[in-house]
Amino acid sequence: EAGVVQSPRYKIIEKKQPVAFWCNPISGHNTLYWYRQNLGQGPELLIRYENEEAVDDSQLPKDRFSAERLKGVDSTLKIQPAELGDSAVYLCASSLDGTGNTEAFFGQGTRLTVV
Amino acid sequence: LAKTTQPISMDSYEGQEVNITCSHNNIATNDYITWYQQFPSQGPRFIIQGYKTKVTNEVASLFIPADRKSSTLSLPRVSLSDTAVYYCLVGDIGYSTLTFGKGTMLLVSP
Repeated sequence: EAGVVQSPRYKIIEKKQPVAFWCNPISGHNTLYWYRQNLGQGPELLIRYENEEAVDDSQLPKDRFSAERLKGVDSTLKIQPAELGDSAVYLCASSLDGTGNTEAFFGQGTRLTVV
Repeated sequence: LAKTTQPISMDSYEGQEVNITCSHNNIATNDYITWYQQFPSQGPRFIIQGYKTKVTNEVASLFIPADRKSSTLSLPRVSLSDTAVYYCLVGDIGYSTLTFGKGTMLLVSP
């Protein structure tokens, strides 16, 4: 079975341009996470979905970041406009549910470079 | 959310046993302890999870004392491929945002 699939793997854009990341979670997984990971740091949660509902988006910079999970399956994360400080790896993860004893599976991430 | 504290880095040699300890002094009754491993250019990968006492799988063991204020991830006979960052997470059984700290960078040398 395929794991969590993210695309693109790499993206280089100029500042002030928009960018979007796509995530296809493992089939049947109700919970989906988007994380941002800066160099040398642990992943930081941006948003968490339970099916199509965003249940935790407190860390999402809503002035420029948006996310959606239509039909509770695939998800996209968008940044508009991008800033230099947005350069990071964006990770998507999914799990059967959002309980604390459920294993989460991560994709390989999208490495964003803003120049 | 219970905060976790781990060493920033550890060094070891091939064939040795490595123990990484994580402190979580304000762990709650409903919290589980989970460890993830992350290789460069990859997303984190689940290693092991436990609530109390000892848990063992094909990859590692997890030791949790009775007060649950700390936990120790034990990697037996490490190899070069075990070089990675190891994260300790504490999450409520009913709800979890998978909060990562900075993790422990383990470097295994020949």
